[in-house]
Amino acid sequence: ETGVTQTPRHLVMGMTNKKSLKCEQHLGHNAMYWYKQSAKKPLELMFVYNFKEQTENNSVPSRFSPECPNSSHLFLHLHTLQPEDSALYLCASSRLERDHTDTQYFGPGTRLTVL
Amino acid sequence: GQNIDQPTEMTATEGAIVQINCTYQTSGFNGLFWYQQHAGEAPTFLSYNVLDGLEEKGRFSSFLSRSKGYSYLLLKELQMKDSASYLCAVMDSNYQLIWGAGTKLIIKP
Repeated sequence: ETGVTQTPRHLVMGMTNKKSLKCEQHLGHNAMYWYKQSAKKPLELMFVYNFKEQTENNSVPSRFSPECPNSSHLFLHLHTLQPEDSALYLCASSRLERDHTDTQYFGPGTRLTVL
Repeated sequence: GQNIDQPTEMTATEGAIVQINCTYQTSGFNGLFWYQQHAGEAPTFLSYNVLDGLEEKGRFSSFLSRSKGYSYLLLKELQMKDSASYLCAVMDSNYQLIWGAGTKLIIKP
């Protein structure tokens, strides 16, 4: 238990569906992250929020839409996804300190399958 | 470009020692992290190195050589529960984590 929870753990959706992934951190952190993890590939950073403000958007397609209503909650809204978007989506949080101790803590991920 | 290399898969025997290597080329360096990830679970933090040398933490140790762009994770007295993927990540000059693809470690009895 890392203090970061994600729901749902598994999601199967069609290309025309709309769904949302939810992440909650109970660590009092100020930064939250969305990553995509595909088999045998490095983690891909998608979005970063610092103090609820989006600071990174690594050329992510608009079919992925993040939302951060407060420092503890992060959502990823999905619509008109493609089969290649099937992956494990990981949420992480960190204290947001510009020094060497800004360790990221991860949730267990949502396994997404797009049919 | 930025790059992290680590072996895709390694196999070791229960009770033995294994060393997982990681080499990196990044824009700046603000530390190197090792994470463990069991199948279907969250990556969990193992170690952090920012200065050259060896950091020991129980059965796990992590080594860093900044001049060589090289790190390794050393696992001693291997247990079956150590079967997992081990992820190497470097924090670059923008304080972004650059990730390797992970090394899947298989422990055999």
